[in-house]
Amino acid sequence: DGGITQSPKYLFRKEGQNVTLSCEQNLNHDAMYWYRQDPGQGLRLIYYSQIVNDFQKGDIAEGYSVSREKKESFPLTVTSAQKNPTAFYLCASSIDPPGLVSEAFFGQGTRLTVV
Amino acid sequence: AQKVTQAQTEISVVEKEDVTLDCVYETRDTTYYLFWYKQPPSGELVFLIRRNSFDEQNEISGRYSWNFQKSTSSFNFTITASQVVDSAVYFCALSAEDGNYGQNFVFGPGTRLSVLP
Repeated sequence: DGGITQSPKYLFRKEGQNVTLSCEQNLNHDAMYWYRQDPGQGLRLIYYSQIVNDFQKGDIAEGYSVSREKKESFPLTVTSAQKNPTAFYLCASSIDPPGLVSEAFFGQGTRLTVV
Repeated sequence: AQKVTQAQTEISVVEKEDVTLDCVYETRDTTYYLFWYKQPPSGELVFLIRRNSFDEQNEISGRYSWNFQKSTSSFNFTITASQVVDSAVYFCALSAEDGNYGQNFVFGPGTRLSVLP
């Protein structure tokens, strides 16, 4: 079945470590997104990518990095520079051809906890 | 800048009651899209509806209905005869062309709905 797969579902990180969250989609979507969700703050955009090998910073990109080497994959690295990384991370994708705005489809999320 | 406000942080209702979730948006774009998503306890956001800025017709889908009013920049969501399975966090979202970067979604803070048996 088509969809978005995020892994792992739960992730624990020691302070000072970099960790990478995986996001894979088989929907043939061009656009992919990473959001961070904190209680009471809704979803905040970290990075997004409209096409392969191109991505743009969102509202809270500091301390995060991404790559888009393949259409299907948009991994997010949480670096040691991110001072408060404990949160729920959601990956999404959408068709987004020019002139058409489609809904975004979401993965099941990764809950990251700093220990 | 785009912004979505959901003033109701939490709502509790008893099963079979009707409930309306409010959404107010801000954008300078004339072409934009509005969405509602449901986030059950499992965490995944489930798409409910998309509405473009040129279509102000209200929509009904089963027990769900949406009221889009451009004059007040609102896109409210009503659940009729609520059920326990409707308990979730509901997000309103806005999408518009973001300069050269294409589509960008902005989400409201969400409303947590609890339907009590």
